Amino acid sequence: SQQGEEDPQALSIQEGENATMNCSYKTSINNLQWYRQNSGRGLVHLILIRSNEREKHSGRLRVTLDTSKKSSSLLITASRAADTASYFCATGPNDMRFGAGTRLTVKP
Amino acid sequence: NAGVTQTPKFQVLKTGQSMTLQCAQDMNHNSMYWYRQDPGMGLRLIYYSASEGTTDKGEVPNGYNVSRLNKREFSLRLESAAPSQTSVYFCASRAMRTGAGYTFGSGTRLTVV
Repeated sequence: SQQGEEDPQALSIQEGENATMNCSYKTSINNLQWYRQNSGRGLVHLILIRSNEREKHSGRLRVTLDTSKKSSSLLITASRAADTASYFCATGPNDMRFGAGTRLTVKP
Repeated sequence: NAGVTQTPKFQVLKTGQSMTLQCAQDMNHNSMYWYRQDPGMGLRLIYYSASEGTTDKGEVPNGYNVSRLNKREFSLRLESAAPSQTSVYFCASRAMRTGAGYTFGSGTRLTVV
């Protein structure tokens, strides 16, 4: 299975702080994607990083990928209460497999 | 609005009943997927269709069947519902181009009693 596994399972921070979540996976990948899920809603695609990329930015999001360690991290800078959600990484060329996610709570 | 539409949004079934969950996308995506999400867990892939006319099993296909009716529609059928199938079901689609992200529907919350 190419399922990603997120760490930590839960993270609670104050508004304005940075949030870092990690993802580990087991097999070779073409790309790794991060998604956000607000409570009771579907997942929303945040960012994709290809296996030949080491870092990617999108607004307040920064994703890194270390293929030698089979790991990725998602950094959300200057967090806001609206960032409260679960975050998932997903891997796989076609049949995407998701981990259990990191539940982020940003306190106002 | 363009996206993935799932129906129904909520459903309660009795054990042994059958039903079909509908999914349609209007983005001309080639690939479509069905996932289930249980409380506090990630998504588990049930079935997927890489392109019109093809379907493949995912991680947890037992108890389910799928039909890729056309490029737009991908349905999931429970032939004889069991309490273990109580879950939230998500449909997703993806364009063919390398690295395309998934677009998810808003989910169907199914309870089997």
